[in-house]
Amino acid sequence: DTGVSQDPRHKITKRGQNVTFRCDPISEHNRLYWYRQTLGQGPEFLTYFQNEAQLEKSRLLSDRFSAERPKGSFSTLEIQRTEQGDSAMYLCASSLNWGLSGNTIYFGEGSWLTVV
Amino acid sequence: AQKVTQAQTEISVVEKEDVTLDCVYETRDTTYYLFWYKQPPSGELVFLIRRNSFDEQNEISGRYSWNFQKSTSSFNFTITASQVVDSAVYFCALSEDNYGQNFVFGPGTRLSVLP
Repeated sequence: DTGVSQDPRHKITKRGQNVTFRCDPISEHNRLYWYRQTLGQGPEFLTYFQNEAQLEKSRLLSDRFSAERPKGSFSTLEIQRTEQGDSAMYLCASSLNWGLSGNTIYFGEGSWLTVV
Repeated sequence: AQKVTQAQTEISVVEKEDVTLDCVYETRDTTYYLFWYKQPPSGELVFLIRRNSFDEQNEISGRYSWNFQKSTSSFNFTITASQVVDSAVYFCALSEDNYGQNFVFGPGTRLSVLP
């Protein structure tokens, strides 16, 4: 399978614990995105990377959230001191440079987080 | 600011019926891109189509067709002869910038195709 892969697919954690999600993008894609989706809503942009550089962060990304892409390949999204409001699906996506595939972004299957 | 509206929250049809999913967008840019994604129960968002603002030609792909009308800021999606496997949530999305980030998604339309 050469699509975007995410791990773990599901995570249940107690309030106050830290969680980390991993995303492996499509291999030749240099852009990587994180989105959050809550039930009944469309995905909301969190942040994106161009290679290893984090170029934009949404206001949704509070100080408890940190994303990294150290070698420009896989990325991690860490949530510290989780709160019940963090319960959502965290979607990773990737794309090529603009103009090569027309900015189409391809999504993974998401990582479901439930904070109890 | 950009915005995408999908007024239909849920639609139910019987298999083999045609169904149209509506999408209305708002943007101040003259250059923008519109997308449709399908989200089956597994959760993955599956890319269906991309349209740029310069190309108003309608597109047909098998049982799927898209009607882009700049005059009404709409980008509607029609499934002909629907099948049970078409049951999913469908999202319309808009991207204004040249770098592909910060897509804005609509709230989605849940389509249920009944046998």
